[in-house]
Formats: sequence, structure tokens, C-alpha cells
Amino acid sequence: NFILTQPHSVSESPGKTVTISCTRDTGSIASNHVQWYQQRPTSAPTNVIFEDNERPSGVPDRFSGSIDSSSNSASLTISGLRTEDEATYYCQSYDSNNHWVFGGGTKLTVL
Amino acid sequence: EVQLVESGGVVVQPGGSLRLSCAASGFTFDDYAMHWVRQAPGKGLEWLSLISWDGDDTSYADSVKGRFTISRDNIKNSMYLQMKSLSSEDTALYYCAKDTFAAAGISSYFDHWGQGTLVTVSS
Repeated sequence: NFILTQPHSVSESPGKTVTISCTRDTGSIASNHVQWYQQRPTSAPTNVIFEDNERPSGVPDRFSGSIDSSSNSASLTISGLRTEDEATYYCQSYDSNNHWVFGGGTKLTVL
Repeated sequence: EVQLVESGGVVVQPGGSLRLSCAASGFTFDDYAMHWVRQAPGKGLEWLSLISWDGDDTSYADSVKGRFTISRDNIKNSMYLQMKSLSSEDTALYYCAKDTFAAAGISSYFDHWGQGTLVTVSS
């Protein structure tokens, strides 16, 4: 299985833009789609980006996703930060041996 | 509205066994594969197991392979996780999650999650 590495934490001010990275250690980041999940404290995760850059209905367009083959990484960008965006964000992808892989999670603080 | 409700989490002694359940509603249950994902206290998400729509295909994380068994009953719209040889490392909140496809072997993801059921392994 491959590993997805995320920064442990990031912080930014309200109204600003933050980008969270997710780097794959072996194999191409483009070989399988990347998803992003938001988990607020004491709540279950919810999907905010699927298939690299698609938003589920109800997720504001302040959330966007991308992949970069040169750095073998995916990114979640949140613009116009709000205090309600404060949460832990997890990237996730599929391993071709029928396993699903999560990154370690990034705690976003909006201060 | 999709609803997933886990149950069965309790305090169990090391070496013990436990069966978790996930009751599904709000969608055609046998049209989708299902998963179990867990989260140890203060830790990240760990994928555990998949079962295809018809139960014919299953997959397990190395950490639980041989100890956990996933199953489903499409008549009862329910999924299960039978766990044995439990240790303190299995202490976690266990989530069931709905896949976006029916079959296994597809690059898919989790579009709905339950609220989880807490398993504590302690003497």
C-alpha cells in the first residue's frame, strides 16, 4: 500500500485562503482519484471533494481540489475562510489491491 | 435521506469478541458496496473492510485480516462486522460508510457515513 502524507496542522485568518497538501509516496497520484473529507469535532466525516476536484451538492465553491503530478500530490484549497471551516481534513485514495487509504489528517485552525 | 446507524459498541475484555451492526435506510441498500472505517481516540481515519453489493467480494486491511469478518443481509438492509481476538489497539469509534459503486475493485469513495459506535477494549 502507498502512504498519503499531510501536514499535521495549518492555520489561517478568516477571509484568507489556505491550501492543504496530500503527497503520495509511491505510484502516481493520478492513478486513482483523490477525495477530501471534513471532520468537525465530535462529528462524522463528510465528503467535500470527490474525484480530485468535484464538489458534492451543498459544498460551497470556496472548496476546490486539484492534483499535481510533478509533486505527486493533491491539494485542497479553501478560500474566504470562515470559522465554521475549522476542522480536520483527510485526503483519501484507492489502492489497486482493493484497499482504501487515508492521509493522516490536517487540523485547520481559523483564527 | 440516507441514514446509517451503527450499533453494538461496548466495553469488551482483551481477547474477546464483538459484533457490530449498521442499519441502512434512505437508499437501495443492495445497489451499493459498504465499508467499515475506524478512528482511535485522538487519531486519524483507518479503513478496515469492504463488502460488495451482493456480499461475494470482501477485502480487509492488514491490521484486521483474519480477525474481523464483514457480512451483510440485504433483506434486513444491514451490514455487520464480526470482531475477535480484540486488543487495546482495537479501541476506536467504528463507522460504517456507503460506497459510490456496487462492486469491489473500483476506485470509489465514501459518500455517506454513520455517526459511529464506540468499541473499548479494556480489562
